[in-house]
Amino acid sequence: QVKLLQSGAALVKPGDSVKMSCKASGYTFTDYIIHWVKQSHGKSLEWIGYINPYSGGTNYNEKFKSKATLTVDKSSSTAYMEFSRLTSEDSAIYYCARSRYYSPFDYWGQGVMVTVSS
Amino acid sequence: DIQMTQSPSFLSASVGERVTLSCRASQNINKYLDWYQQKLGEAPKLLIYNTNNLHTGIPSRFSGSGSGTDYTLTISSLQPEDVATYFCLQRNSWPRTFGAGTKLELK
Repeated sequence: QVKLLQSGAALVKPGDSVKMSCKASGYTFTDYIIHWVKQSHGKSLEWIGYINPYSGGTNYNEKFKSKATLTVDKSSSTAYMEFSRLTSEDSAIYYCARSRYYSPFDYWGQGVMVTVSS
Repeated sequence: DIQMTQSPSFLSASVGERVTLSCRASQNINKYLDWYQQKLGEAPKLLIYNTNNLHTGIPSRFSGSGSGTDYTLTISSLQPEDVATYFCLQRNSWPRTFGAGTKLELK
């Protein structure tokens, strides 16, 4: 069955970077794009961007363009998101989700809680 | 960016009751509207896509409708397991944007 397994929770210091992973299984990794979504505590969801594992092409929300970097490793069916220059505003749960190009986000990872604290 | 406004923010209803949640877009989104259910401590789960298409495995008590800027999610007979926060998402344009959510509780 389709699974997106995300890496574990992270505690990072302000100004540092964090890199999280999303390992796909149960489908052909290059057939679906991978989105990343931020959920701040008790708040709504924000779309960060997506990466196309087939081409490596990306599309970022302007709000996160200088903050997030999306990559993939096709050999391990894993997508990565690196978040840089972290502040307390970046403390949140980050989800990966898959979709066909213009289709809904049909499967989601379990989420990664990132806490930014000194 | 397209702004998505959900109402109400909180809703309390009884088991068996018919429940309607609303989502309004700041411009026409051509029925590219999805609904997600998020239970406490879990990831969002796709319920309905393209306004009125039920995702695989979703009970038929869930339905969606709408067009243009106004969309609704209806639960025909509320069940205890439906307690969750419901989000709408527009896929008409980039960036994708979500509503702030409706938190549904049992009365």
